[in-house]
Amino acid sequence: DIQMTQSPSSLSASVGDRVTITCRASQSIDRYLHWYQQKPGKAPKVLIYAASTLQSDVPSRFSGSGSGTDFTLTISNLQPEDFATYSCQQSYSTPRSFGQGTKVEIK
Amino acid sequence: QVQLQESGPGLVKPSGTLSLTCDVSGVSITSNNWWIWVRQPPGKGLEWIGEIHHSGSTNYTPSLKSRVTISVDRSKNQFSLTLNSVTAADTAVYYCARDGAGVRAIPYWGQGTLVTVSS
Repeated sequence: DIQMTQSPSSLSASVGDRVTITCRASQSIDRYLHWYQQKPGKAPKVLIYAASTLQSDVPSRFSGSGSGTDFTLTISNLQPEDFATYSCQQSYSTPRSFGQGTKVEIK
Repeated sequence: QVQLQESGPGLVKPSGTLSLTCDVSGVSITSNNWWIWVRQPPGKGLEWIGEIHHSGSTNYTPSLKSRVTISVDRSKNQFSLTLNSVTAADTAVYYCARDGAGVRAIPYWGQGTLVTVSS
């Protein structure tokens, strides 16, 4: 099974900050890596798929990069509505595992 | 548009069976996609449970494989999750979902349903 490890587990940031979250796979997953945003009581929402492709209707301040085992989600100019939990997921092989999540909180 | 809605008991007794159904609307369950179950224990991260294709092919996460079954009912345009021998560790919000084309991210999710395992 492929293990997905995110860092940090949580972070505090201010509106307008640039935030970076990393996700590491235990083996190469090519670019089969997706990022989700989840707010309390809501289902996850896909932000980026295939490592760097922005889902439609997602603001351009979100970006993703990486391939192989190391991936990054960047939020530039953090907005109040961006305070949420972010999770990565690999779809390279089953089980299609998720990272443990990164909670972005208001400083 | 694709819509998914989970239904089933919100309370299950320990050692009992958890059964959930996902009603699919806006698309046929025979479309060339995989239909997925994901769960999230309170305060914890997302766990991929398994998936099914309308052809009947399934994949399950190894830690649950001995207890879980995912099935499709084409006549009702729905798919289901059955989890046997549940314990308190199976208490979670359960989501049904559908993957997208190509690299198989998950753009479509139900709203989720909380299932509590307790006597």
